[in-house]
Amino acid sequence: DAGITQSPRHKVTETGTPVTLRCHQTENHRYMYWYRQDPGHGLRLIHYSYGVKDTDKGEVSDGYSVSRSKTEDFLLTLESATSSQTSVYFCAIRGSGGPGTDTQYFGPGTRLTVL
Amino acid sequence: QKEVEQDPGPLSVPEGAIVSLNCTYSNSAFQYFMWYRQYSRKGPELLMYTYSSGNKEDGRFTAQVDKSSKYISLFIRDSQPSDSATYLCAMSAGNFGNEKLTFGTGTRLTIIP
Repeated sequence: DAGITQSPRHKVTETGTPVTLRCHQTENHRYMYWYRQDPGHGLRLIHYSYGVKDTDKGEVSDGYSVSRSKTEDFLLTLESATSSQTSVYFCAIRGSGGPGTDTQYFGPGTRLTVL
Repeated sequence: QKEVEQDPGPLSVPEGAIVSLNCTYSNSAFQYFMWYRQYSRKGPELLMYTYSSGNKEDGRFTAQVDKSSKYISLFIRDSQPSDSATYLCAMSAGNFGNEKLTFGTGTRLTIIP
């Protein structure tokens, strides 16, 4: 268990409304990531953070913004949700499974539906 | 063409069989290779992690990397119904926090009791 929680776990919203997803970790990891998972596309990186207030874009960042004001929390915001943003969103942290095995560990996911 | 190709399946095998899951890739810079297991409506969990070419074994699971062929495999011996899940391969060129993981689309596996 990588100590990652995501909230909400499920959300239904309407087109044009703002939505914020929260990722919370308890183990003080520096790197945190937001992905979306869609059939036929696998997991795609939206944004990532390498420290408090330090963030960068991933491959599918359009329409999304992020913030990290505390080490433990990484927020993903959809400023104006669109139907194309209906997806399952996963947060991940970079942790260690042992010497030479630093890689990413995932949270339980948030299922978002935009009507 | 995608950087990482993975047969989506679905793949169904009887309990006790040996399962072979595979990914091919095009980026010769990839050096770190991972397999994740994802149960329905859950997050991916790391199953195997390997660096460069060669084999790595962990219990019933063996990960194999052939960089010359740009081909990685995951073998599951004595498969169990609890192995029924989607298996995702992932890979990266480096081992720093800002290195992007590139994922396959996943193979859905069902073990039939």
